[in-house]
Order: sequence, then structure tokens, then C-alpha cells
Amino acid sequence: GAVVSQHPSRVICKSGTSVKIECRSLDFQATTMFWYRQFPKQSLMLMATSNEGSKATYEQGVEKDKFLINHASLTLSTLTVTSAHPEDSSFYICSARVGGGWGETQYFGPGTRLLVL
Amino acid sequence: DQQVKQNSPSLSVQEGRISILNCDYTNSMFDYFLWYKKYPAEGPTFLISISSIKDKNEDGRFTVFLNKSAKHLSLHIVPSQPGDSAVYFCAASRQGGSEKLVFGKGTKLTVNP
Repeated sequence: GAVVSQHPSRVICKSGTSVKIECRSLDFQATTMFWYRQFPKQSLMLMATSNEGSKATYEQGVEKDKFLINHASLTLSTLTVTSAHPEDSSFYICSARVGGGWGETQYFGPGTRLLVL
Repeated sequence: DQQVKQNSPSLSVQEGRISILNCDYTNSMFDYFLWYKKYPAEGPTFLISISSIKDKNEDGRFTVFLNKSAKHLSLHIVPSQPGDSAVYFCAASRQGGSEKLVFGKGTKLTVNP
């Protein structure tokens, strides 16, 4: 159980275009989903937290107008990188959590490799 | 300000021996800790967790030890297997995991046959 999928797994786009990444919880309903970014040989950095039906909460330094997050249902969250630039190239990973109680574990998707040319 | 630190970027052990991965944290408000395993170009896989009310949690070959006074936790893998070769991330959270996870930079474990 607790499977999280991401689509696409890899995307290459031209500078200035927008890219949408989907995150789905396949066998459970996720009240909260998280979006992370990982640079090579670095740790996972939380970008934003999204709760179903409400606006995402962005971490300090993350541009909310550039990284649009929509959590339309309990099983789907999307991250749209708008007007992508080469510096946005990175590995984006989502995670999902069932509830907000004690001991709830985050389960991660397989990640999406974004390359902006 | 790095609140979760994994000071060893890499560790190499022989198959069948014990692997010990270490993690230190600075925020005394953290009360829930997790270990994740990650292969290249994949998302992290949850391994084991521990809450601050315990000092040990065991699951098969994996045991996590927590020393709150030292703000230190460790993951023991016994016996180590070549398939355990991956990057291991330590993560910490407040409020029993209901707040965001703060990750260390990871330790790359290599288990040699």
C-alpha cells in the first residue's frame, strides 16, 4: 500500500514554456501533499505544502507565481513550473500523507526530472 | 541553518556486516524521526521511524536508535546486503510528523559483496 505516482518521469522543455507535473496517491486519500526539489548531491528541499481544496503554503524563497500548485482532489496534486528557465532544471519529488495526526508517514513519488533548455 | 545533519557523505561496508548510519539534529522541538532510502532518479522509500518517547525501534534488519540528550539518532542495518546500497536520508519533524519534514543531506551506503 501507500503508493504515490508522478507523471511525467522525465521532461525536457524549451526556456519560457510551462511544464505540469502530476502527483497521485494510488491507494489512499492524501489530505496533504508536499512538493520537494532536489539538486545533485543535495538534500530534498521542501517547496510547498498543499492541502486538498485550499491554497498551498510555500516555503520561504519559493516563488508561488512561478511554481503553481493545485490540489484539486484527495488523490491528485499538480505542480506547474511557469515560464521555465534553465535554472529550474532539477529533480522534483512529491509526497503524500494520509492525515495530520501523530506518526503519519509521508510516502514519496518516484520523482520527475526536469531539464529546461 | 542546517537542523538535521548527516556528517558522513558516504559509508562502505562488507556484505554481512553491520552498517551504522548517523544523524544529528539541533532543534529540540523535533519529536518524530524517519529514515528513507533513495536510489538514483527515484523517490525516497520509507524505511523506519521513531518517536521521541522511544529510544529504539526495530523492523527486521533495520533498527533505529534515538539519543535525545545527545540529539543523535542512528540507523543500524544487520546484516548488510548489496541491495542496501543506496543513499539514506534522515528526516525530522515536529508534532509527531504532522509538520514538515526536515531532511539531512544523506549518506551514500555501499555494501560490497
